[in-house]
Amino acid sequence: NAGVMQNPRHLVRRRGQEARLRCSPMKGHSHVYWYRQLPEEGLKFMVYLQKENIIDESGMPKERFSAEFPKEGPSILRIQQVVRGDSAAYFCASSLFRGPNEKLFFGSGTQLSVL
Amino acid sequence: KNEVEQSPQNLTAQEGEFITINCSYSVGISALHWLQQHPGGGIVSLFMLSSGKKKHGRLIATINIQEKHSSLHITASHPRDSAVYICAVRGETSGSRLTFGEGTQLTVNP
Repeated sequence: NAGVMQNPRHLVRRRGQEARLRCSPMKGHSHVYWYRQLPEEGLKFMVYLQKENIIDESGMPKERFSAEFPKEGPSILRIQQVVRGDSAAYFCASSLFRGPNEKLFFGSGTQLSVL
Repeated sequence: KNEVEQSPQNLTAQEGEFITINCSYSVGISALHWLQQHPGGGIVSLFMLSSGKKKHGRLIATINIQEKHSSLHITASHPRDSAVYICAVRGETSGSRLTFGEGTQLTVNP
């Protein structure tokens, strides 16, 4: 049973380009979370998705950022027209269920560098 | 003031020492997580607590809900324990959001 898979591990984009980050949750997990870690800062919640639905996107910037978790395939975090300030490590985590005993499994992250 | 405060920010220890990392939070919570982030960046969930104490190998996590405080202890520390340890809380009213501490950088020297 593979863990949470994120790809690519490293992504380099020029300002104005689009970045697409993928997260394949653990098998059977239907809850996916995206977090961002800016340089020298702690992790920050971005969005919580459950298959085909965005449950909580209160941590997402209002513009240029979007996320999806389709019925088939990985969850995608999409950043349009990237700027230098988007350079960060983006982590996703998945869980089997929500609740007091929810255990999160994290991916290895995608390091986005915007030139 | 951050909702989640960790101390110390940096900790250097000799192999074999007993280590304590502290986490204080300011909101009512439904759960507290301790995470480990290795130099390569990968994050591992160590514990999820809502009360009491949990133990896994050389790691022990405790939480005091009344005092809004949790500790992570490492017994017989080893250089491979060197990592950033992160405390994160799920607030009672924050739904799915986790709020993270800034992390404690632990270095264990041989």
